[in-house]
Amino acid sequence: QVQLQESGPGLVKPSQTLSLTCTVSGGPIRSASYYYSWLRQPAGKGLEFIGRFYTNENTNYNPSLKNRVTISLDTSKNQFSLRLTSVTAADTAVYYCARDAEHLIGFLHWGQGILVTVSS
Amino acid sequence: EIVLTQSPGTLSLSPGERATLSCRASESVSSSYSAWYQQKPGQAPRLLIHGASSRATGIPDRFSGSGSGADFTLTISRLEPEDFAVYFCQQYGNSRFIFGPGTKVDIK
Repeated sequence: QVQLQESGPGLVKPSQTLSLTCTVSGGPIRSASYYYSWLRQPAGKGLEFIGRFYTNENTNYNPSLKNRVTISLDTSKNQFSLRLTSVTAADTAVYYCARDAEHLIGFLHWGQGILVTVSS
Repeated sequence: EIVLTQSPGTLSLSPGERATLSCRASESVSSSYSAWYQQKPGQAPRLLIHGASSRATGIPDRFSGSGSGADFTLTISRLEPEDFAVYFCQQYGNSRFIFGPGTKVDIK
């Protein structure tokens, strides 16, 4: 049973960098096997795709965030990470990590979500 | 840029009734990328349907998906109490996944 769990600071100051980690259990994390993704959801609003990692050469970032986002894998820790620079209040949201599965395009496995507030 | 519109915004129904949710894309899209999610308050979304019509593992058969081109539909044949939630559709375009604004199914 694959499980994902987000961790990181719940409060980030404007202009600083938001850094979150997703720890995966129930199986090894491997490059070129699944897409490891981050999404977010502002309070009371819909879902926004941030980006996904497949290999170092195959990553997808939302064009609206592309210049500020980096997603990376750490197979030694069975984790993947999100880094979002130069945050503003508009980046306040619940952040989810997610993963797909074989033979489907979508997000089958989700973390529980972590609320990140951008405020001074 | 592909935009997804979901209708209705809110659907008020009673348990046992049939729910029909619509997702319309601003242009023709691939059925392979069409998916539906259910989300309850305080919870992460749950994948119900992928590839427009394939149920995800463990999803009851009262949930079904259909559609092609720019129009996709999620049908819940008989609403159970646990089905009252918000439902999002998903597509892919311009190097990113796109989600509709959601349809809330609430108890009449």
